[in-house]
Amino acid sequence: TQLLEQSPQFLSIQEGENLTVYCNSSSVFSSLQWYRQEPGEGPVLLVTVVTGGEVKKLKRLTFQFGDARKDSSLHITAAQPGDTGLYLCAGADRGSTLGRLYFGRGTQLTVWP
Amino acid sequence: NAGVMQNPRHLVRRRGQEARLRCSPMKGHSHVYWYRQLPEEGLKFMVYLQKENIIDESGMPKERFSAEFPKEGPSILRIQQVVRGDSAAYFCASSPPFGTGVNTGELFFGEGSRLTVL
Repeated sequence: TQLLEQSPQFLSIQEGENLTVYCNSSSVFSSLQWYRQEPGEGPVLLVTVVTGGEVKKLKRLTFQFGDARKDSSLHITAAQPGDTGLYLCAGADRGSTLGRLYFGRGTQLTVWP
Repeated sequence: NAGVMQNPRHLVRRRGQEARLRCSPMKGHSHVYWYRQLPEEGLKFMVYLQKENIIDESGMPKERFSAEFPKEGPSILRIQQVVRGDSAAYFCASSPPFGTGVNTGELFFGEGSRLTVL
């Protein structure tokens, strides 16, 4: 079983602050995806990282894939209330069925105005 | 272009009844996946289907659960004789065909069906 540990589990910050959430595993993944899920909704894909050491930016969000492809981080600059949600990381294992993702439990982010 | 459509959004069943959850993938998508999200847990893979074929059901409980994706119509996840532990959000996801240059391994999720077993 591929395990992805996300930290912190909960994060509550004020608007304008910066934050970083982490996704760690002892397993190597062929790719890693970050999703955001809002209450009562399904997860929505934010980004996919494939290459070890890869950094991708999406406006105020910066995603990094570890060199060994075992971990990833999401950094948000100047957080806004609209960033509130559950952030999930999900890894794809090269040896597993395509589309079979291993999800972490998520980081619940709350940004207060 | 409509997204992944799931229904019902909410379903309440008593113990011992059957639950049927339906999923229509995005237009042009031929791969359907079912995931379950239990309270306080992450999403767990259940089954992967293509039209008329179950490709990988290694995440499905051995009893009471079944899934199908017929030639015509939506994919259906069926839970027989439901128990309280089946209460969860069930998410369907779809992806385009592989090997076409379109599929990047990304999944497109529906809004989920929330099953409550009384």
